[in-house]
Amino acid sequence: GNSVTQMEGPVTLSEEAFLTINCTYTATGYPSLFWYVQYPGEGLQLLLKATKADDKGSNKGFEATYRKETTSFHLEKGSVQVSDSAVYFCALSVGGSNYKLTFGKGTLLTVNP
Amino acid sequence: GAVVSQHPSRVICKSGTSVKIECRSLDFQATTMFWYRQFPKQSLMLMATSNEGSKATYEQGVEKDKFLINHASLTLSTLTVTSAHPEDSSFYICSAYKEGQNEKLFFGSGTQLSVL
Repeated sequence: GNSVTQMEGPVTLSEEAFLTINCTYTATGYPSLFWYVQYPGEGLQLLLKATKADDKGSNKGFEATYRKETTSFHLEKGSVQVSDSAVYFCALSVGGSNYKLTFGKGTLLTVNP
Repeated sequence: GAVVSQHPSRVICKSGTSVKIECRSLDFQATTMFWYRQFPKQSLMLMATSNEGSKATYEQGVEKDKFLINHASLTLSTLTVTSAHPEDSSFYICSAYKEGQNEKLFFGSGTQLSVL
């Protein structure tokens, strides 16, 4: 089956620190990979995605590279801000664009000033 | 951008009662919506795919008679937890799929259900 394993949280960083949230996956078929972010009181929002090996998704200073050889899609940001405090979910979908997603458990990130 | 409204955000009910959760796409039509459930420290688990005008497709292990899904219009899907029990206490999230050139999935902000 399909599964996503992401780094256990919570993660607490100081402003301007470097962020990595690890994500690995198993999938039947060739998955598309996503990172979603959920800010307090809001719905999940797509942060970035990659649809094939070696693709790099990027948005708002965040990046993640689709690594087929290590089945990973780690999220990184060079300098986090307080406004990045949120829950981050790694996810995958297989077999078309119907967005039937398999999620990881989510990682709570808190950035302190 | 497109918005999905989920209501209520929090509900507390007595064991044995039924609870209805609404999911509305506010500025687009969604033929497909999804319902997820998340227990503490667990992943969001897909419960069912809601298709406008037809029966929902439930994931393995999800009781269709307990979690009734109605997608009667292109902008509204409802999830009714029937005869709720404490083990149904969870965080329920809906999403709506916007088709087209910029196809995308939009999520509601979730409903925290607590069954006493």
